[in-house]
Amino acid sequence: EPEVTQTPSHQVTQMGQEVILRCVPISNHLYFYWYRQILGQKVEFLVSFYNNEISEKSEIFDDQFSVERPDGSNFTLKIRSTKLEDSAMYFCASSERTGGVTEAFFGQGTRLTVV
Amino acid sequence: GESVGLHLPTLSVQEGDNSIINCAYSNSASDYFIWYKQESGKGPQFIIDIRSNMDKRQGQRVTVLLNKTVKHLSLQIAATQPGDSAVYFCAENPGNAGNMLTFGGGTRLMVKP
Repeated sequence: EPEVTQTPSHQVTQMGQEVILRCVPISNHLYFYWYRQILGQKVEFLVSFYNNEISEKSEIFDDQFSVERPDGSNFTLKIRSTKLEDSAMYFCASSERTGGVTEAFFGQGTRLTVV
Repeated sequence: GESVGLHLPTLSVQEGDNSIINCAYSNSASDYFIWYKQESGKGPQFIIDIRSNMDKRQGQRVTVLLNKTVKHLSLQIAATQPGDSAVYFCAENPGNAGNMLTFGGGTRLMVKP
């Protein structure tokens, strides 16, 4: 069964450092997403990406964040200068769109710990 | 991927019983709803979805009910099994042109053997 894969599973970084979280979406999907989940809280939308550009982003997705699809398979989230409050699980997701919104399939997540 | 939270509502059921998990949504323009299951250390896993032109949809052992009048969504799990123990989230698409999902706060389901 096709799945979304994320690497690394756990990333520890010092405050102020840049991190890149990597994802390989399901191959025939057209929409890609990043969500995050702070420990004990609900899953929050960060950004969606379609046709090589951002289609939606939330208030959380400020100038410190960027996304990129550097090749035909990877989808990355970069946090330029990490803050303690960026510590969370980051989930990549993908969906196919066939005339309307469809379910998003999530990866296992990357646990980001900023120290 | 811990969705464990100190203040998650918890539903405890006996194995074999039916479970009903409820969700209230706030955006009357939402036109697509999903239930996700999240086990400890894993990402959300799709269970079932429903569009706003329906009020009921059934899957394998699961049924989703949508009441647009009171903006309420429920997930019914028949013959609950220990493997159903997880946190369950409802999510909605706000009905604009995008595909983003807004997640609810989650309910922890605990199945007693």
